[in-house]
Amino acid sequence: GDSVTQMEGPVTLSEEAFLTINCTYTATGYPSLFWYVQYPGEGLQLLLKATKADDKGSNKGFEATYRKETTSFHLEKGSVQVSDSAVYFCALSDQDSASKIIFGSGTRLSIRP
Amino acid sequence: DARVTQTPRHKVTEMGQEVTMRCQPILGHNTVFWYRQTMMQGLELLAYFRNRAPLDDSGMPKDRFSAEMPDATLATLKIQPSEPRDSAVYFCASGSRAVGAFFGQGTRLTVV
Repeated sequence: GDSVTQMEGPVTLSEEAFLTINCTYTATGYPSLFWYVQYPGEGLQLLLKATKADDKGSNKGFEATYRKETTSFHLEKGSVQVSDSAVYFCALSDQDSASKIIFGSGTRLSIRP
Repeated sequence: DARVTQTPRHKVTEMGQEVTMRCQPILGHNTVFWYRQTMMQGLELLAYFRNRAPLDDSGMPKDRFSAEMPDATLATLKIQPSEPRDSAVYFCASGSRAVGAFFGQGTRLTVV
């Protein structure tokens, strides 16, 4: 079945460091791909998305490119801030699953001042 | 600003009691999801609806959990009887394949 695998955390970086959180997926069709962010005590917020191969989603300095050849959707940011500390979830929605959205296990990110 | 609204935000109940959680999805979204989040299991999909019809509830313990959408503005998740292992944060989300899922703030359930 469809699945999402993302790098285990926690990931700890210094402020202004470059961030990469790896995400790979398995799907039978042509999924839409998403990154969500969850701050403490809150629900998940959609960070960015891409709906077809080679699309790049971007928001708040974060980017991710839909790579069909490597079935990946890695999240990147050039210079992280303390306020980026949160849990990040990669997710997919496969057209064959009638919009069912499947999440990875989440990666906790901590940024040191 | 459209958002998914969940009530109550917090619920503490005794084992064996019935718990009902409510969700108002974003108008126009045709898919509604119920997720449960715990430290041990992470984010689990319990059930989801499309155009108010249940599509998949395989993630729910059928003997005690039930999910319904009596109308387009209300989704409910019930637990009867509740057990301590049901303690978790329950999230409702609405959306579609193209736009993704928009989450509510969650209901933090504690069963003692």
